[in-house]
Amino acid sequence: EAEVAQSPRYKITEKSQAVAFWCDPISGHATLYWYRQILGQGPELLVQFQDESVVDDSQLPKDRFSAERLKGVDSTLKIQPAELGDSAMYLCASSLVGAGGHNEQFFGPGTRLTVL
Amino acid sequence: AQRVTQPEKLLSVFKGAPVELKCNYSYSGSPELFWYVQYSRQRLQLLLRHISRESIKGFTADLNKGETSFHLKKPFAQEEDSAMYYCALQNTGTASKLTFGTGTRLQVTL
Repeated sequence: EAEVAQSPRYKITEKSQAVAFWCDPISGHATLYWYRQILGQGPELLVQFQDESVVDDSQLPKDRFSAERLKGVDSTLKIQPAELGDSAMYLCASSLVGAGGHNEQFFGPGTRLTVL
Repeated sequence: AQRVTQPEKLLSVFKGAPVELKCNYSYSGSPELFWYVQYSRQRLQLLLRHISRESIKGFTADLNKGETSFHLKKPFAQEEDSAMYYCALQNTGTASKLTFGTGTRLQVTL
């Protein structure tokens, strides 16, 4: 069964360092989402792609976070520089169709980031 | 702005007892609501959606627009129901953004 893949699963870094997370969605899924989940809270959307285009990045802290999906397939989320408050689980999800549609989102296992 | 509230962080019930996980929402349009579940050491996955009006693993949820609620119910809890449950609301704009609640941990004990 196809699944969303993410790497690394765990990342420990020091503040002010740069980190990057990778996500490979289910093949054929046009929409890709990056969520941040702080301990004790629900996932919060950071950025949503429709193919290679960003359709929502209103909650992405753009001074330090960036995301790309150059060929409309896999995606990278980067943080530079990392801050203590960035410690969280970063989840990637994908769905068949996003815009205006009603489609199930399939989640990856997440990357747990710890900033020291 | 859309908002989802799950008032209970932890719900502990005995096996065979009824379960009700509460979810209230705030949204100006016509909402689409979901319940997602995360079992121990597994990924977050969709449990059910209100438009399907289906029962999954014995769980049902009815959208009550008057009370702006979407509570998840099961008549008889099973041990394997122990998990983290998230209520989520999807907007109906061009970007299908999901807004999650803070989650409720369901603990089913013998």
